[in-house]
Amino acid sequence: GENVEQHPSTLSVQEGDSAVIKCTYSDSASNYFPWYKQELGKRPQLIIDIRSNVGEKKDQRIAVTLNKTAKHFSLHITETQPEDSAVYFCAATPFGNEKLTFGTGTRLTIIP
Amino acid sequence: KAGVTQTPRYLIKTRGQQVTLSCSPISGHRSVSWYQQTPGQGLQFLFEYFSETQRNKGNFPGRFSGRQFSNSRSEMNVSTLELGDSALYLCASSLVGGLASGETQYFGPGTRLLVL
Repeated sequence: GENVEQHPSTLSVQEGDSAVIKCTYSDSASNYFPWYKQELGKRPQLIIDIRSNVGEKKDQRIAVTLNKTAKHFSLHITETQPEDSAVYFCAATPFGNEKLTFGTGTRLTIIP
Repeated sequence: KAGVTQTPRYLIKTRGQQVTLSCSPISGHRSVSWYQQTPGQGLQFLFEYFSETQRNKGNFPGRFSGRQFSNSRSEMNVSTLELGDSALYLCASSLVGGLASGETQYFGPGTRLLVL
């Protein structure tokens, strides 16, 4: 089955700086890669996703890049703000299989 | 549109008991997935239901089961509870479960289960 590794497990950045979280996956059939943000005591919220037919996707301060050859994808947050502090999860699933396999999460702390 | 709802939000049980959790998907959504979230194991997929049929299954023991009703509402059941079953149980819904085809999966607030 699919295995997703996520690094780093914790990340602290100064407000205004950029943050990068990286994930690798094992199943070459995976072609959907979402990123979720989970604030303390709240449900995971989808913040951005990418499908295998594109290499990069941006939404304001958030971007995701995908390298299918190397089987890794990354989340980039620019101009970080205190409200970006949360746990971020990456996930992967192959086409036709709705079983999302999650990474272990990254606790991002923005230092004011 | 109302979001995904789950009941109850909190539950305390003792070892050996059984528990049933409920999930109501977003109106019109027919795919419901269940996940277990623990500090040690993270978010793990339990199973997915579509049109009252279990379509995908994770690697959990048979004590974990589920079902889906004709209105797409879903329940999951855990029998013979163990201490390690203490977790946040999340359900998520999507239209027909075509994540790789362009759909988005929306999570409910979760049911926090504590097994004593």
